[in-house]
Amino acid sequence: NAGVTQTPKFQVLKTGQSMTLQCAQDMNHNSMYWYRQDPGMGLRLIYYSASEGTTDKGEVPNGYNVSRLNKREFSLRLESAAPSQTSVYFCASSQGLGASSYEQYFGPGTRLTVT
Amino acid sequence: RKEVEQDPGPFNVPEGATVAFNCTYSNSASQSFFWYRQDCRKEPKLLMSVYSSGNEDGRFTAQLNRASQYISLLIRDSKLSDSATYLCVVIYNTNAGKSTFGDGTTLTVKP
Repeated sequence: NAGVTQTPKFQVLKTGQSMTLQCAQDMNHNSMYWYRQDPGMGLRLIYYSASEGTTDKGEVPNGYNVSRLNKREFSLRLESAAPSQTSVYFCASSQGLGASSYEQYFGPGTRLTVT
Repeated sequence: RKEVEQDPGPFNVPEGATVAFNCTYSNSASQSFFWYRQDCRKEPKLLMSVYSSGNEDGRFTAQLNRASQYISLLIRDSKLSDSATYLCVVIYNTNAGKSTFGDGTTLTVKP
């Protein structure tokens, strides 16, 4: 089991460029999440998907779009990157669907710099 | 006011010390609580769940106080390898698992 995988690990973009961050999990989890973490701060939820076919906004969704492609995959798209989106992006998944099942497991992160 | 607040520290303690962290939350409907550990901006890793009755895992004890809306993490007999940032997270089960993390508390254990 690879757990949660993310690609790419590092990326440098110029302002205005677009890109898609990929995330996949092989734990048959229902729920998936995208977070960003800025230096010295905790994780802030961008979007989450409680189950295949559904997505919802988190705390900081502006400037991002997501796609829950299937149960395994949840992608995050930056349509027009801005320097304020320089951050580390983490994807996570959890079993969901039950009060004892919301433990989240994280991918290794994508370190994104926008110049 | 943030939904989930932690004392950022840093906490600098000698090996063998006992240290405790608190995490307060503002939404009384919060239903699930966890502590995570994060090393040098690597991915957070689940340390332990927090139950109403409290739970213990070796040197680590987690407790939940719903009346005062806080959770705590106690580390006994600190080891150098415990040096990390500890994040608390609150999950709102009624909203399909939407989660809020605290900003983390940094612990440094010194020889």
